[in-house]
Amino acid sequence: EVQLVQSGAEVKKPGESLKIACKGSEYGFSSYWIGWVRRVPGKDLEWMGIIYPGDSDTRYSPSFQGHVTFSVDKSVSTAYLQWSSLKASDTAIYYCARRGMTIFGVAEYFYDFWGQGTLVTVSS
Amino acid sequence: QSALTQPASVSGSPGQSITISCTGASSDIGGYNFVSWYQQHPGKAPRLMIYDVNNRPSGVSDRFSGSKSGNTASLTISGLQTEDEAHYYCSSYTDINNLEVVFGGGTKVTVL
Repeated sequence: EVQLVQSGAEVKKPGESLKIACKGSEYGFSSYWIGWVRRVPGKDLEWMGIIYPGDSDTRYSPSFQGHVTFSVDKSVSTAYLQWSSLKASDTAIYYCARRGMTIFGVAEYFYDFWGQGTLVTVSS
Repeated sequence: QSALTQPASVSGSPGQSITISCTGASSDIGGYNFVSWYQQHPGKAPRLMIYDVNNRPSGVSDRFSGSKSGNTASLTISGLQTEDEAHYYCSSYTDINNLEVVFGGGTKVTVL
Protein backbone atom coordinates (compact mmCIF):
# COMPACT_ATOMS: atom_id res chain seq x y z
CA GLU A 1 0.00 0.00 0.00
CA VAL A 2 1.23 3.47 -0.91
CA GLN A 3 2.31 5.40 2.16
CA LEU A 4 3.70 8.81 2.94
CA VAL A 5 5.12 9.02 6.44
CA GLN A 6 6.12 12.40 7.82
CA SER A 7 8.58 13.31 10.53
CA GLY A 8 7.37 14.19 14.01
CA ALA A 9 6.17 17.41 15.59
CA GLU A 10 8.65 20.24 16.04
CA VAL A 11 8.85 23.16 18.46
CA LYS A 12 11.15 25.98 17.39
CA LYS A 13 11.95 29.59 18.19
CA PRO A 14 11.56 32.47 15.73
CA GLY A 15 14.64 32.77 13.54
CA GLU A 16 15.61 29.11 13.82
CA SER A 17 15.90 26.80 10.86
CA LEU A 18 13.95 23.59 10.30
CA LYS A 19 13.72 20.74 7.84
CA ILE A 20 10.81 18.27 7.94
CA ALA A 21 10.61 15.03 6.00
CA CYS A 22 8.10 12.99 4.03
CA LYS A 23 9.10 9.42 3.16
CA GLY A 24 7.25 7.61 0.40
CA SER A 25 6.96 3.86 0.10
CA GLU A 26 5.36 1.15 -2.04
CA TYR A 27 5.38 3.16 -5.27
CA GLY A 28 7.81 4.64 -7.78
CA PHE A 29 8.81 7.67 -5.71
CA SER A 30 10.71 9.37 -8.53
CA SER A 31 7.73 9.32 -10.89
CA TYR A 32 5.12 11.23 -8.92
CA TRP A 33 5.05 14.90 -7.94
CA ILE A 34 4.93 15.58 -4.21
CA GLY A 35 2.90 18.54 -3.02
CA TRP A 36 3.04 20.42 0.26
CA VAL A 37 -0.08 21.81 1.92
CA ARG A 38 -0.35 23.97 5.02
CA ARG A 39 -3.11 24.29 7.55
CA VAL A 40 -2.83 27.16 10.00
CA PRO A 41 -5.02 26.44 13.05
CA GLY A 42 -8.56 27.61 12.39
CA LYS A 43 -7.83 28.48 8.77
CA ASP A 44 -8.05 26.85 5.36
CA LEU A 45 -5.78 24.43 3.62
CA GLU A 46 -3.20 26.28 1.52
CA TRP A 47 -1.31 24.83 -1.42
CA MET A 48 2.38 25.64 -0.96
CA GLY A 49 3.81 24.07 -4.10
CA ILE A 50 5.12 20.88 -5.63
CA ILE A 51 8.37 19.09 -6.43
CA TYR A 52 9.08 16.33 -8.93
CA PRO A 53 11.52 13.86 -7.37
CA GLY A 54 12.73 12.64 -10.76
CA ASP A 55 14.53 15.90 -11.60
CA SER A 56 13.74 18.18 -8.61
CA ASP A 57 11.61 20.45 -10.82
CA THR A 58 9.90 22.75 -8.31
CA ARG A 59 6.97 25.15 -8.36
CA TYR A 60 6.11 27.39 -5.44
CA SER A 61 2.94 29.24 -4.58
CA PRO A 62 3.66 33.00 -4.65
CA SER A 63 2.66 33.12 -0.99
CA PHE A 64 5.54 30.81 -0.04
CA GLN A 65 8.18 31.60 -2.69
CA GLY A 66 11.38 32.71 -1.04
CA HIS A 67 10.38 31.61 2.44
CA VAL A 68 10.48 27.82 2.11
CA THR A 69 12.55 25.37 0.11
CA PHE A 70 11.52 21.97 -1.24
CA SER A 71 14.07 19.24 -1.86
CA VAL A 72 14.23 15.49 -2.34
CA ASP A 73 16.65 12.63 -1.77
CA LYS A 74 15.66 9.92 -4.23
CA SER A 75 18.02 7.41 -2.65
CA VAL A 76 15.81 7.30 0.44
CA SER A 77 12.49 8.18 -1.27
CA THR A 78 12.13 11.27 0.89
CA ALA A 79 10.94 14.79 0.22
CA TYR A 80 11.83 17.69 2.48
CA LEU A 81 10.36 21.07 3.38
CA GLN A 82 12.71 23.52 5.00
CA TRP A 83 12.88 26.99 6.45
CA SER A 84 16.04 29.00 7.07
CA SER A 85 14.39 31.46 9.45
CA LEU A 86 11.08 30.56 11.03
CA LYS A 87 8.41 33.05 12.02
CA ALA A 88 5.60 32.66 14.53
CA SER A 89 3.19 32.78 11.60
CA ASP A 90 4.69 29.51 10.32
CA THR A 91 2.94 27.69 13.14
CA ALA A 92 0.77 25.17 11.34
CA ILE A 93 0.31 21.56 10.33
CA TYR A 94 2.19 20.72 7.14
CA TYR A 95 1.07 17.87 4.91
CA CYS A 96 2.87 16.22 2.05
CA ALA A 97 0.76 14.52 -0.59
CA ARG A 98 1.30 12.54 -3.77
CA ARG A 99 -0.07 14.21 -6.88
CA GLY A 100 -2.34 11.94 -8.87
CA MET A 101 -1.49 10.71 -12.33
CA THR A 102 -3.52 9.27 -15.22
CA ILE A 103 -2.84 5.82 -16.60
CA PHE A 104 -1.01 7.58 -19.42
CA GLY A 105 1.41 9.18 -17.00
CA VAL A 106 -0.07 12.67 -17.11
CA ALA A 107 -0.01 14.54 -13.82
CA GLU A 108 -3.42 15.44 -12.46
CA TYR A 109 -4.64 18.18 -10.11
CA PHE A 110 -5.64 16.05 -7.16
CA TYR A 111 -3.65 14.38 -4.41
CA ASP A 112 -4.32 10.67 -3.96
CA PHE A 113 -2.21 9.86 -0.90
CA TRP A 114 -1.37 12.11 2.01
CA GLY A 115 1.05 12.06 4.90
CA GLN A 116 -0.23 12.23 8.44
CA GLY A 117 0.93 15.82 8.85
CA THR A 118 3.73 17.46 10.83
CA LEU A 119 2.83 20.03 13.46
CA VAL A 120 5.31 22.89 13.53
CA THR A 121 5.08 25.27 16.46
CA VAL A 122 7.13 28.45 16.41
CA SER A 123 7.13 30.35 19.67
CA SER A 124 9.55 32.38 21.71
CA GLN B 1 -11.80 34.34 3.02
CA SER B 2 -11.47 30.98 1.27
CA ALA B 3 -10.76 30.71 -2.41
CA LEU B 4 -13.64 28.21 -2.63
CA THR B 5 -16.74 28.65 -0.49
CA GLN B 6 -18.27 25.76 1.42
CA PRO B 7 -20.96 25.71 4.11
CA ALA B 8 -19.44 25.41 7.57
CA SER B 9 -21.62 22.48 8.52
CA VAL B 10 -24.14 20.01 7.15
CA SER B 11 -26.00 17.37 9.12
CA GLY B 12 -28.24 14.42 8.44
CA SER B 13 -29.64 11.29 9.99
CA PRO B 14 -28.34 7.81 9.22
CA GLY B 15 -29.63 6.61 5.88
CA GLN B 16 -30.36 10.08 4.58
CA SER B 17 -28.60 11.85 1.73
CA ILE B 18 -26.74 15.12 2.12
CA THR B 19 -25.09 17.44 -0.36
CA ILE B 20 -22.14 19.74 0.24
CA SER B 21 -21.68 22.67 -2.12
CA CYS B 22 -18.43 24.29 -3.16
CA THR B 23 -18.61 27.61 -4.99
CA GLY B 24 -15.75 29.10 -6.94
CA ALA B 25 -15.29 31.12 -10.09
CA SER B 26 -14.67 30.75 -13.81
CA SER B 27 -10.94 30.68 -13.10
CA ASP B 28 -11.27 27.46 -11.15
CA ILE B 29 -14.40 25.30 -10.82
CA GLY B 30 -16.28 26.92 -13.68
CA GLY B 31 -13.44 26.69 -16.16
CA TYR B 32 -12.03 23.24 -15.53
CA ASN B 33 -13.13 19.72 -14.66
CA PHE B 34 -10.46 19.33 -12.00
CA VAL B 35 -12.54 19.36 -8.85
CA SER B 36 -11.62 16.97 -6.07
CA TRP B 37 -13.01 16.22 -2.63
CA TYR B 38 -11.22 15.07 0.52
CA GLN B 39 -12.48 13.56 3.75
CA GLN B 40 -10.61 14.16 6.98
CA HIS B 41 -11.31 12.61 10.35
CA PRO B 42 -9.79 14.32 13.42
CA GLY B 43 -6.08 13.69 13.70
CA LYS B 44 -5.97 11.74 10.44
CA ALA B 45 -4.59 12.43 7.00
CA PRO B 46 -6.97 13.71 4.34
CA ARG B 47 -8.39 10.99 2.10
CA LEU B 48 -9.26 11.49 -1.56
CA MET B 49 -12.94 10.75 -2.15
CA ILE B 50 -13.67 12.24 -5.58
CA TYR B 51 -11.40 13.48 -8.38
CA ASP B 52 -12.01 15.19 -11.71
CA VAL B 53 -15.52 16.22 -10.61
CA ASN B 54 -17.17 12.80 -10.45
CA ASN B 55 -14.63 10.00 -10.35
CA ARG B 56 -14.15 7.75 -7.32
CA PRO B 57 -10.77 6.26 -6.48
CA SER B 58 -10.59 2.54 -5.89
CA GLY B 59 -11.90 1.69 -2.43
CA VAL B 60 -14.24 4.66 -2.03
CA SER B 61 -17.87 3.71 -1.48
CA ASP B 62 -20.31 4.42 -4.31
CA ARG B 63 -22.39 6.27 -1.71
CA PHE B 64 -20.11 9.22 -2.51
CA SER B 65 -20.72 11.08 -5.76
CA GLY B 66 -19.65 14.39 -7.25
CA SER B 67 -21.09 16.81 -9.76
CA LYS B 68 -20.62 20.32 -11.09
CA SER B 69 -22.83 23.05 -12.48
CA GLY B 70 -21.32 26.35 -13.54
CA ASN B 71 -19.04 27.65 -10.81
CA THR B 72 -20.41 25.29 -8.15
CA ALA B 73 -19.36 21.73 -7.42
CA SER B 74 -21.21 19.36 -5.12
CA LEU B 75 -20.47 16.26 -3.11
CA THR B 76 -23.41 14.01 -2.28
CA ILE B 77 -23.27 11.34 0.37
CA SER B 78 -26.11 8.84 0.09
CA GLY B 79 -27.18 6.42 2.81
CA LEU B 80 -25.37 8.46 5.44
CA GLN B 81 -23.44 6.36 7.97
CA THR B 82 -21.89 7.25 11.31
CA GLU B 83 -18.38 6.80 9.90
CA ASP B 84 -19.11 9.55 7.38
CA GLU B 85 -18.93 12.12 10.17
CA ALA B 86 -15.83 14.13 9.29
CA HIS B 87 -14.64 17.32 7.63
CA TYR B 88 -14.88 17.50 3.85
CA TYR B 89 -12.78 19.81 1.68
CA CYS B 90 -13.22 20.64 -1.96
CA SER B 91 -10.34 21.59 -4.20
CA SER B 92 -9.94 22.79 -7.75
CA TYR B 93 -7.29 23.63 -10.26
CA THR B 94 -6.97 27.39 -10.68
CA ASP B 95 -5.38 29.46 -13.40
CA ILE B 96 -4.71 32.57 -11.33
CA ASN B 97 -1.85 33.92 -9.24
CA ASN B 98 0.59 31.19 -10.30
CA LEU B 99 -1.21 28.86 -7.98
CA GLU B 100 -2.12 25.40 -9.13
CA VAL B 101 -4.69 24.29 -6.60
CA VAL B 102 -7.06 26.07 -4.25
CA PHE B 103 -9.09 24.60 -1.41
CA GLY B 104 -12.40 25.30 0.23
CA GLY B 105 -12.72 26.14 3.89
CA GLY B 106 -14.13 22.74 4.76
CA THR B 107 -17.54 21.44 5.82
CA LYS B 108 -18.18 19.55 9.03
CA VAL B 109 -20.62 16.71 8.39
CA THR B 110 -22.50 15.59 11.47
CA VAL B 111 -24.51 12.38 11.57
CA LEU B 112 -27.40 12.98 13.95
